Amino acid sequence: GAVVSQHPSWVICKSGTSVKIECRSLDFQATTMFWYRQFPKQSLMLMATSNEGSKATYEQGVEKDKFLINHASLTLSTLTVTSAHPEDSSFYICSARLLRQGGSGNSPLHFGNGTRLTVT
Amino acid sequence: AQKVTQAQTEISVVEKEDVTLDCVYETRDTTYYLFWYKQPPSGELVFLIRRNSFDEQNEISGRYSWNFQKSTSSFNFTITASQVVDSAVYFCALSEASSGTYKYIFGTGTRLKVLA
Repeated sequence: GAVVSQHPSWVICKSGTSVKIECRSLDFQATTMFWYRQFPKQSLMLMATSNEGSKATYEQGVEKDKFLINHASLTLSTLTVTSAHPEDSSFYICSARLLRQGGSGNSPLHFGNGTRLTVT
Repeated sequence: AQKVTQAQTEISVVEKEDVTLDCVYETRDTTYYLFWYKQPPSGELVFLIRRNSFDEQNEISGRYSWNFQKSTSSFNFTITASQVVDSAVYFCALSEASSGTYKYIFGTGTRLKVLA
């Protein structure tokens, strides 16, 4: 089945540093990947939609200069948290949809295992 | 605007009991998709089911069953004879055709605790 690999699974960094999270679709191509953020015991909030070869589309209230998204190929999207602060500590999850013809709405998203970011 | 409501924040049952997780959605689209995902303590999201807006047929998969009713905008999930391994957070999600990217809108989740 479709597998999405997310790396690292956890990271601790100091305030002011930047952290890059990778999301790879291992056995399928994904023109669109989604980045979610989840606070403890809360729901998943969509941060941005990552489109291969073009700029990401950010949800309202998400700072695009702080959360840099790059989708350089059909199998890789990266999220960089720049100048991280303790309030950026969260669980970040990426997801991808199998590229297929005839529309993709009926295809379920495949999720990575998430990255737990702790900013000290 | 699209919205998914999971009114049950947390449910505790004793093993072998049946439990139903509620999901109510709001959408203006006529074409949309509904999903259920399971998130165990390890954090990964496990896909359980998808249903499109034109298919109201209920589905059963082992101990899992889903009841989709457009008249009440609900897509409820029942676990029969619950087991401890069913303990997790369950999310209902909505995907609309009009979004273009079919992005998911998640409900707030229901934490299910199955006690031995």
